[in-house]
Amino acid sequence: KAGVTQTPRYLIKTRGQQVTLSCSPISGHRSVSWYQQTPGQGLQFLFEYFSETQRNKGNFPGRFSGRQFSNSRSEMNVSTLELGDSALYLCASSLEEADTQYFGPGTRLTVL
Amino acid sequence: EDQVTQSPEALRLQEGESSSLNCSYTVSGLRGLFWYRQDPGKGPEFLFTLYSAGEEKEKERLKATLTKKESFLHITAPKPEDSATYLCAVQAAGNKLTFGGGTRVLVKP
Repeated sequence: KAGVTQTPRYLIKTRGQQVTLSCSPISGHRSVSWYQQTPGQGLQFLFEYFSETQRNKGNFPGRFSGRQFSNSRSEMNVSTLELGDSALYLCASSLEEADTQYFGPGTRLTVL
Repeated sequence: EDQVTQSPEALRLQEGESSSLNCSYTVSGLRGLFWYRQDPGKGPEFLFTLYSAGEEKEKERLKATLTKKESFLHITAPKPEDSATYLCAVQAAGNKLTFGGGTRVLVKP
């Protein structure tokens, strides 16, 4: 079974731009969560989607948003990029809510 | 607020030298405690889920245990390929995982 896939793998943007990251969960998985990983803050929860509904949101500003489609694929968007948004963005999928989460390889975002 | 603290931050081992990693946590209503392994530039790889105090799980040279306040990841006779960052996370409400800072393990041949 294919794992979680994320595109693109690497991205370079400049301050003020916006970016959209994509995540395809493991086949059959209905829950998708997003995390931000930085050297200073570690892994932090962004939000969770289940059945196209946002179920939980972490402590991030409104510039961070996401959505889930009917096929469980998910996208996250960051608007008005700041230097501090440079990070590894990880997507994780699980069969149902509260099941074990399996992570993708991440998208490395660099903001210049 | 859920909190997870991992120690030590870094661990250097000789091949074959067994050791333990600690994960202490504070959470309201633990639904599960998870261990992941992360190699540089990659996403975390799932290792174990523990649900209740007293539970133990094993996989090759790794063994995870859980008490009411902490979890241990024991590495027995490690090999260089066990070098990685080991992450502990707790799950309370919903799907949110709260992660510790990780323990960087380096196993020298």
